[in-house]
Amino acid sequence: EVVLTQSPATLSLSPGERATLSCRASQSVGSDLAWYQQKPGQAPRLLIYDASKRAAGIPATFSGSGSGTDFTLTISSLEPEDFAIYYCQQRSNWPPGYTFGLGTKLEIK
Amino acid sequence: QVQLQESGPRLVKPSETLSLTCILSRGSISSYYWSWIRQSPGKGLEWIGYVYYTGTTNYNRSLKSRVTISVDTSKNHFSLRLSSVTAADTAVYFCARENGGGFFDYWGQGALVTVSS
Repeated sequence: EVVLTQSPATLSLSPGERATLSCRASQSVGSDLAWYQQKPGQAPRLLIYDASKRAAGIPATFSGSGSGTDFTLTISSLEPEDFAIYYCQQRSNWPPGYTFGLGTKLEIK
Repeated sequence: QVQLQESGPRLVKPSETLSLTCILSRGSISSYYWSWIRQSPGKGLEWIGYVYYTGTTNYNRSLKSRVTISVDTSKNHFSLRLSSVTAADTAVYFCARENGGGFFDYWGQGALVTVSS
């Protein structure tokens, strides 16, 4: 089973700063990786799919990169509403299913 | 825009069966993969399983022996049954759509289900 490890667990930054979040897979997942944002009391919201494609309505300040085992979510300039928990997720062929990372909490410094 | 809404009992007794339904509005359940995902308090996200609109299913191996997911295309909804629940099954249960690309593009708002006597 593919394990996704996210780092750091918590990231403290100020509005306007650049955020760089990491997701590492225990084995190659190609470009089959997505990123989600979750705020308290809400469902996760799809941000990025196929490692680097922005979902509909997601601002250009969010970008994804990487392939194989190492992936990055970058928020180029933090807005107050960007402070949330971010999860990466992959789909595996064997065993068939989906796994999520444990998340990175992005908090206001 | 696709909208999903979970419904069902929010309190279940230990050893009983948890049952939830996800109703799809503004869209058709035909095509796509329909998943259940849960999130235990203060913890991460766990995929439970999916049903394809044809009725084909795929379950998380760790829950497979206790999970049944079914679809009713005539009612535009799909359902989760999780048997023999314990306190460890207390979680927010989300329904979500996977469009075949390996990611979840639409989610329900979530239903907190508590297992307690």
